[in-house]
Amino acid sequence: NAGVTQTPKFQVLKTGQSMTLQCAQDMNHEYMSWYRQDPGMGLRLIHYSVGAGITDQGEVPNGYNVSRSTTEDFPLRLLSAAPSQTSVYFCASRGASAPYEQYFGPGTRLTVT
Amino acid sequence: DAKTTQPPSMDCAEGRAANLPCNHSTISGNEYVYWYRQIHSQGPQYIIHGLKNNETNEMASLIITEDRKSSTLILPHATLRDTAVYYCIVRVDQNYGGSQGNLIFGKGTKLSVKP
Repeated sequence: NAGVTQTPKFQVLKTGQSMTLQCAQDMNHEYMSWYRQDPGMGLRLIHYSVGAGITDQGEVPNGYNVSRSTTEDFPLRLLSAAPSQTSVYFCASRGASAPYEQYFGPGTRLTVT
Repeated sequence: DAKTTQPPSMDCAEGRAANLPCNHSTISGNEYVYWYRQIHSQGPQYIIHGLKNNETNEMASLIITEDRKSSTLILPHATLRDTAVYYCIVRVDQNYGGSQGNLIFGKGTKLSVKP
């Protein structure tokens, strides 16, 4: 199993540009989520999904859109990038049985200039 | 907001036990204590979790006080590769469809293992 994969690893955007961060998992997990991590901070939840076709907002959803058309994929879209969205983005998935541990991807480092 | 309080940093000598404390005085009866760690720039990694009994796995031990208001993660023989930020998180241990199943991260404890 590849686990949770994220692309790209690094991205530089100009203010106002849009882009999609890709996340995929091959563990057949129903639950997936997106976090952002700013320097010296813990992770903050952006959006999450409990299954295909179902998404909900986390702590910091503004400026981001998500969709979940398949169990495997959970892309995160930045609609109009702002410097405040410069961060490291982590995708995670979780199984439906104990211990409900979350598996995290390697992260995407995004810089908005 | 995170429901836990952890010291911002700790040092440990290589080969010695690392004991990382966590306070969770408002923990509910159906909430478990989870520990994750994040090695520099990588995604967080699950370590262990427990409800009220002490737990042990190949990575660590978890000691939860009888009143469940605090816990300690123990790395029995710390190595340099254990240098990381350790997060203590409380959450319900169910596959809830709602936000109760989300992990809410605080700032964690930065553990530095020194030779």
